[in-house]
Amino acid sequence: QSVPTQPPSASGTPGQRVTISCSGSSSNIGSNTVSWFQQLPGTAPKLLIYTNNQRPSGVPDRFSGSKSGTSASLAISGLQSEDEADYHCAAWDDSLNGFVFGTGTKVTVL
Amino acid sequence: QVQLVQSGAEVKKPGASVKVSCKASGDTFPNYGITWARQAPGQGLEWVGWISTYNGKTNYAQKLQGRVTLTTDTSATTAYMELRSLRYDDTAVYYCARAFSAYDPRRYFDSWGQGTLVTVSS
Repeated sequence: QSVPTQPPSASGTPGQRVTISCSGSSSNIGSNTVSWFQQLPGTAPKLLIYTNNQRPSGVPDRFSGSKSGTSASLAISGLQSEDEADYHCAAWDDSLNGFVFGTGTKVTVL
Repeated sequence: QVQLVQSGAEVKKPGASVKVSCKASGDTFPNYGITWARQAPGQGLEWVGWISTYNGKTNYAQKLQGRVTLTTDTSATTAYMELRSLRYDDTAVYYCARAFSAYDPRRYFDSWGQGTLVTVSS
């Protein structure tokens, strides 16, 4: 098993589309659903995406999630300054019998 | 929508124990689970464990097995996380979050508490 890997950073200008990858293994992303969380500086994480591609009520449709095999992606379209935050993926790991979080990605709006 | 309010910051010496509370309001307590996670300074998130508010069933991170205990007080709609034999690398912000299912720890979690900073220092 392996902890899902995310790029340490991503950036874009306002209005651009940014995509964040989350690369896992057969024991986590490959066999379970993926969630994504947004964490603004100094605050608790907030659920953005659950069950691979579902948005909770109140989350703008600029945020979308997808999953293929042992990897998942979060896309932010129409990037806005308030999207500057850390983003974490998460999935259950059957080998560890627990959740694993991705390494986290800091998104900067240029 | 459930709201989760956690207890205040703690400073503990190595080897001591800490107990963090997480009070829920706004939803029927026995209908879901409570997940706990932690975040060391400048680091990513780490899952600590899950407890069912319905029947008290628990799942713990292998790394913390034997040192952590999750409990609930249904009458007080409060969940607790106790961590024993504290080490310096247990210094972190500890979060509780509502887990979607009271029966399956693999389901997602949504509403989060504000976090509790636990500092282990001599």
